[in-house]
Amino acid sequence: NAGVTQTPKFQVLKTGQSMTLQCAQDMNHEYMSWYRQDPGMGLRLIHYSVGAGITDQGEVPNGYNVSRSTTEDFPLRLLSAAPSQTSVYFCASSPTYPGSDTQYFGPGTRLTVL
Amino acid sequence: AQKITQTQPGMFVQEKEAVTLDCTYDTSDQSYGLFWYKQPSSGEMIFLIYQGSYDEQNATEGRYSLNFQKARKSANLVISASQLGDSAMYFCAMREEQTGANNLFFGTGTRLTVIP
Repeated sequence: NAGVTQTPKFQVLKTGQSMTLQCAQDMNHEYMSWYRQDPGMGLRLIHYSVGAGITDQGEVPNGYNVSRSTTEDFPLRLLSAAPSQTSVYFCASSPTYPGSDTQYFGPGTRLTVL
Repeated sequence: AQKITQTQPGMFVQEKEAVTLDCTYDTSDQSYGLFWYKQPSSGEMIFLIYQGSYDEQNATEGRYSLNFQKARKSANLVISASQLGDSAMYFCAMREEQTGANNLFFGTGTRLTVIP
């Protein structure tokens, strides 16, 4: 099994550009989420989904959009990139609570906005 | 208020010694879960250990144990017999289970360096 995959691994954008970070999982997990990791800040939740067609905001949702049309995929869209969105982005998945004592993280996407 | 506080930005430990990484949490939920993750220099997040708020015994996973003190709202990670490969960032995280979602709140992390 591939687990949680993320593409691309690295990306450089110019301010104002838009792009989509891809996330896919092959474990049939209902729950998927996106976090960003900034230096000294730990990971912060951007958006999450508890199943296909259901999404909700986390701690830091501004500037990001998500959708969940299938169980496997949970893309994160940057609508108009800003330097403040320079970060490492992690996608995670798990069975919906209860019944899960962990989350499975993807390898991360390092994004730089110039 | 911070939900998870890790007050040790960096820690050093001699190889083969034990080390404790501190974590305190803040929640009004009665039902919650506490997690520790390891992030090596390669960047991936590796799950180490989980403790539920209703678990009466401290969780253990191999060389990792979680010292859970509910009244003090602390969930310290103890690594026994440190190895050079333990050098990494360690993050404490909490899930508040009232929401029914598996959302995690993370601390700012502790960088552990194991000295040969």
